[in-house]
Amino acid sequence: KAGVTQTPRYLIKTRGQQVTLSCSPISGHRSVSWYQQTPGQGLQFLFEYFSETQRNKGNFPGRFSGRQFSNSRSEMNVSTLELGDSALYLCASSFEGNGYTFGSGTRLTVV
Amino acid sequence: KNQVEQSPQSLIILEGKNCTLQCNYTVSPFSNLRWYKQDTGRGPVSLTIMTFSENTKSNGRYTATLDADTKQSSLHITASQLSDSASYICVVSKPTGNQFYFGTGTSLTVIP
Repeated sequence: KAGVTQTPRYLIKTRGQQVTLSCSPISGHRSVSWYQQTPGQGLQFLFEYFSETQRNKGNFPGRFSGRQFSNSRSEMNVSTLELGDSALYLCASSFEGNGYTFGSGTRLTVV
Repeated sequence: KNQVEQSPQSLIILEGKNCTLQCNYTVSPFSNLRWYKQDTGRGPVSLTIMTFSENTKSNGRYTATLDADTKQSSLHITASQLSDSASYICVVSKPTGNQFYFGTGTSLTVIP
């Protein structure tokens, strides 16, 4: 079966712009989580959505937001981009908490 | 505080050699512990998962051990290959609430 699909794979934006990343989970998975990964910080939890509702949220500013659609697909939005937002953004889906399956990520570069 | 610490931070070994990566955690209550392998620029891929009652779990040349009493886990890689070069991440979860705690990973480089 298809894995977790993230689009786009690479993205370059300028400071102040906003960006939307997309994640399609494995079929049947209703939980989708988002992570930011930078070389110095490792994986940092952003938020988790389950059945279109945000269930958990990490310690990120309000510029980071997300949503989940009825088909479990999820989007993450970052407004007013800063240089420090440059990172690999990973999406992971899970079925009833039985571990995560990660997508390949979106590499965001802010210039 | 729920934490997961991994050591060493980075490691360089010769092809064919064995190595062991460490993961210590303070997460409580404990449900399971997973080791992930992450190639550069890719998403992490699960290698093993262990619950409280499991001491050892193997996946090919990868063998994970768990001591739930001391809250320590290790990942042993046998006869390393160049393709083992990656980051290895330890993830500990609680029984409820879909709460996962990530270590910062060990970067392994296998050289010929």
